[in-house]
Amino acid sequence: SQKIEQNSEALNIQEGKTATLTCNYTNYSPAYLQWYRQDPGRGPVFLLLIRENEKEKRKERLKVTFDTTLKQSLFHITASQPADSATYLCALMDTGRRALTFGSGTRLQVQP
Amino acid sequence: EPEVTQTPSHQVTQMGQEVILRCVPISNHLYFYWYRQILGQKVEFLVSFYNNEISEKSEIFDDQFSVERPDGSNFTLKIRSTKLEDSAMYFCASSVGVGQGYGYTFGSGTRLTVV
Repeated sequence: SQKIEQNSEALNIQEGKTATLTCNYTNYSPAYLQWYRQDPGRGPVFLLLIRENEKEKRKERLKVTFDTTLKQSLFHITASQPADSATYLCALMDTGRRALTFGSGTRLQVQP
Repeated sequence: EPEVTQTPSHQVTQMGQEVILRCVPISNHLYFYWYRQILGQKVEFLVSFYNNEISEKSEIFDDQFSVERPDGSNFTLKIRSTKLEDSAMYFCASSVGVGQGYGYTFGSGTRLTVV
């Protein structure tokens, strides 16, 4: 069966450190993978997209890697701040599909 | 920055009643979606809509659900006879394209409570 797995345990880190979140998938052949941020009671907010032929993508303090052999994406936030505290969702669209499927998300808590 | 607008923000309805959730997608977007999120669970796909027709739907989107774009700006989700298990946050989203890797813009959601 198809699965998108994100660490369900909250990630607690100290302000200024780098947060690394993992997304693993099975039985998908995505052309690209996306990351979203979700705050409590709010809709997801698009952060970054990475295509299957890209190894790494950066945007300000964010970095995403995509390894189609390992079927894994890593999402990094460098110099983390308390304002980065949120749930981060991985999402992908399988070949032939017309909509994104989301993982269950990882909650990040950045301590001041 | 353009926004996806959803109304109402919160709706309480009695079991068996019909509800209509409304959304105004971003004006130059071509693809529209409804997702739902039951409290504490993941964001689940319901339906995608393009060129005035459903392009894909999930198993959740059964005959009780319907979508419509009645006037070229609004995009609605109707639940014909609500059940307790329909209680969730419903998110509308839109995107410029699909398949080329466009991010979705989500609305702030409608919290539906069925009592």
